[in-house]
Amino acid sequence: EDQVTQSPEALRLQEGESSSLNCSYTVSGLRGLFWYRQDPGKGPEFLFTLYSAGEEKEKERLKATLTKKESFLHITAPKPEDSATYLCAVQGSSGNTGKLIFGQGTTLQVKP
Amino acid sequence: DTEVTQTPKHLVMGMTNKKSLKCEQHMGHRAMYWYKQKAKKPPELMFVYSYEKLSINESVPSRFSPECPNSSLLNLHLHALQPEDSALYLCASSLTDSETQYFGPGTRLLVL
Repeated sequence: EDQVTQSPEALRLQEGESSSLNCSYTVSGLRGLFWYRQDPGKGPEFLFTLYSAGEEKEKERLKATLTKKESFLHITAPKPEDSATYLCAVQGSSGNTGKLIFGQGTTLQVKP
Repeated sequence: DTEVTQTPKHLVMGMTNKKSLKCEQHMGHRAMYWYKQKAKKPPELMFVYSYEKLSINESVPSRFSPECPNSSLLNLHLHALQPEDSALYLCASSLTDSETQYFGPGTRLLVL
């Protein structure tokens, strides 16, 4: 069964204090791993798609990496506006195409 | 442009009402989705339309009825809902059902 586990559940950082969020996954044939950012009461905002182990993508202070078992979202010198819930999701090649399996999310709070 | 629009933003309805949620995208995407999200939980897939045909129904109760009138529009018809159906309803779209999904801002539904 496809499964995604994110850790930690919550993370508090001081502004400028770099850290990483983890997404461990089990999937039959990875089609893609997706990172989203979600602010309270709003829809998830797309950040990155990763397709194969060794792939890395960057956007501003965020960098996503992928191995065969997990993905990391590295946040460098975070700012208070980076505070949000970060969701990781995978799509496998077995089962229903189009179905994303989401982790429970990591809620990040960055204090000034 | 990766914009998915949803109307209304907020909806309050009684258990005997009939209402509809609307979703629109003009990105040429051929897959569209409905998700339900409860507080502090990840989105849960409800329905997937691929090339305007229903491809996934995640055993959703019949009081939720999806409709895809054309490739740009997706509706969710609501009838005889229960208070536990109160949630954020998210629409998403993707180029095909194996590509990155882009979410709309959501409709906050309250069932009294």
